[in-house]
Amino acid sequence: NAGVTQTPKFQVLKTGQSMTLQCAQDMNHEYMSWYRQDPGMGLRLIHYSVGAGITDQGEVPNGYNVSRSTTEDFPLRLLSAAPSQTSVYFCATIQGAGETQYFGPGTRLLVL
Amino acid sequence: AQSVTQLGSHVSVSEGALVLLRCNYSSSVPPYLFWYVQYPNQGLQLLLKYTTGATLVKGINGFEAEFKKSETSFHLTKPSAHMSDAAEYFCAVRYTGNQFYFGTGTSLTVIP
Repeated sequence: NAGVTQTPKFQVLKTGQSMTLQCAQDMNHEYMSWYRQDPGMGLRLIHYSVGAGITDQGEVPNGYNVSRSTTEDFPLRLLSAAPSQTSVYFCATIQGAGETQYFGPGTRLLVL
Repeated sequence: AQSVTQLGSHVSVSEGALVLLRCNYSSSVPPYLFWYVQYPNQGLQLLLKYTTGATLVKGINGFEAEFKKSETSFHLTKPSAHMSDAAEYFCAVRYTGNQFYFGTGTSLTVIP
C-alpha cells in the first residue's frame, strides 16, 4: 500500500514550457486535491475532485488544468509555466466526511 | 470567507519546555479541526484532529489540542519539547464539503 505518490520529485522548467505533475493513490479515496505551498502562505488549494469525471476549482486555479479519468490518478497540468508557479506542489486524498487528508511527498517546481 | 489564523510564524522553546502553538478560525459553525506537522522536504502528517465529542484531543508524539468553541480556537500543546519536535506545524479547518483551509504555518525551533 503506497498511499499517495507524486512524480517527479523535482523539476526545472523554462518559462512557457508545459508539464504534467502526476499524482496516484491506491486507497480508493474519492476525493483528491492539489495544493501549492509557498513560504509564509501555507497551503492553497488549486483544484480538487470528488470522484472520477468531476473536478472543480479551488482558491488559486489560474494557470493549471486537471482531469480525473480514474479514481486512482489526478494529474495537474501547467500549460505555459510562469516563474510565479515556482512552488512545492502537494497532492492529497480524503476518504470521507470528517476524515483525515493524506498527503503525497510533494513535487518541487522551479520555473526559470 | 473562511480563514485560519496561526499566531506566530516562528516559535522557539527550550528543550523540556512547554510548547504552545496557537490557531483560531473564523466561523460560527463548528468545523472539523486538524493539526499537521511537516518535517523538512517532506509532506504533511496528521498530528491530531477534532470532529465531534470530547473537546480535548490527544495526538501522536505527546501533542494535544483543545477545541474551544467560545474562543473559536484550537491551540496545540505539548508539555515538554523534544529536539525531534522541530518542524513546521499547520492548523487546518474543514467545514461542510471537502475543502480544507490551512493556516500559514508556525515554524517550531527547539533550543538544546
